[in-house]
This record gives sequence, C-alpha cells and structure tokens, in this order.
Amino acid sequence: KAGVTQTPRYLIKTRGQQVTLSCSPISGHRSVSWYQQTPGQGLQFLFEYFSETQRNKGNFPGRFSGRQFSNSRSEMNVSTLELGDSALYLCASSLAMTGSEQFFGPGTRLTVL
Amino acid sequence: QQQVKQSPQSLIVQKGGISIINCAYENTAFDYFPWYQQFPGKGPALLIAIRPDVSEKKEGRFTISFNKSAKQFSLHIMDSQPGDSATYFCAASPSISDKLIFGTGTRLQVFP
Repeated sequence: KAGVTQTPRYLIKTRGQQVTLSCSPISGHRSVSWYQQTPGQGLQFLFEYFSETQRNKGNFPGRFSGRQFSNSRSEMNVSTLELGDSALYLCASSLAMTGSEQFFGPGTRLTVL
Repeated sequence: QQQVKQSPQSLIVQKGGISIINCAYENTAFDYFPWYQQFPGKGPALLIAIRPDVSEKKEGRFTISFNKSAKQFSLHIMDSQPGDSATYFCAASPSISDKLIFGTGTRLQVFP
C-alpha cells in the first residue's frame, strides 16, 4: 500500500501571498489531519477532516483553512502568509475508527520570505 | 490541560545502553498514547502505542510503561543502536478524536 503523499514537498512564498498544500491519504483511510511543525512550537494540530467535514480544529487563525474531497484527498490553504508561517506542514491519515493509528506523510516545507 | 510534557529534551546514550524518555499529561480524557520516531527530512512514524487499560506494552526493543494514577508514561529503548538516533515524540489523544497533542520531542543520539 502506498503511504501518505504530500505535494509539493517544498515551497517558497513571499509575505502576503497565499498557498495551497495537497495531501493524498492511504487508500481506504477516511480521516485526514494536518499538523504544523516548527522548531519553536513543535508539532501542533491544525484540523481534522472526515467525510468532507471538519471534525476538529486547533488554535490557529482563520487564515488557515482546509477541505476534504469525496475521495478523501485533502487540501489546506494559508492566506496572507506571514514570516511565522514558515514550517513543515504534515498530513496524517487514519481509518477514522476511534483512536486509530495515524500515518504521517513526509510533509511540505514552506518557507515564507 | 491540553499539554503533554516531555523530558529530557536531548539524550546521549552509548550503543547497547537503555534510552528512557518520559511524558506526563493532565487531561484525563486522553486514552490513547502513541510514540512517534522522526528522522531528519521525514514525517513522524508510529513506533508503539498504548491505552490506559494496560501498564506496559513491549514491541521488540521498545517498551511503553504507563502509570495511570500518576498520569505519566515512558518509552524505554533497550540495546540502543546508532540507527535509533532520531527525535522521539510522545503524544496523547482522546479516543473519540484523531487530534494528537504532542510532547516537545527528545533528540536521541546513540554513539558506537
């Protein structure tokens, strides 16, 4: 089975721009979660989607948004980029049974200049 | 109450030694406790996980010890190898959700 894939792997943007990141979960997995990883804040939960609905949301501003498609693929969008948004954005998928294992993708490294 | 506290921040162990990483939590709604291993340039990979109905779980050289009353859990890596050199994260979540709350990470270095 192929693992979680994320595209693109690297992105460079400038302040004020917007960006869209994509995640394809493991086949059969219906839940997709997004995390932000930075040296200062560590791994922080952004949001979780299941059956095209946002099921959980972390403490991030409204500039961070996401969606999930009927095939379980997910995208996250960050608008009006700030320097502090530079991070590794990780996507994880699971079967969405209660407390099921989450499998992470390799992440998208976003640099905001 | 949402925090998971992890220590130490870094750990240096000789090959063949035991590596021990500790985590503590506050939220009693947490009932799923995984450990992830992350190599540079890679996403975290699930290593081992435990639920509070057992006090210990062992998989190969990796063991989780869980103390429900103290709200603490730890990862023990027996016979540590240079290939174990990585960053380790503990995490916790309530089983009704896939929202993982991560510890701050422990950078493990195993020297030959």
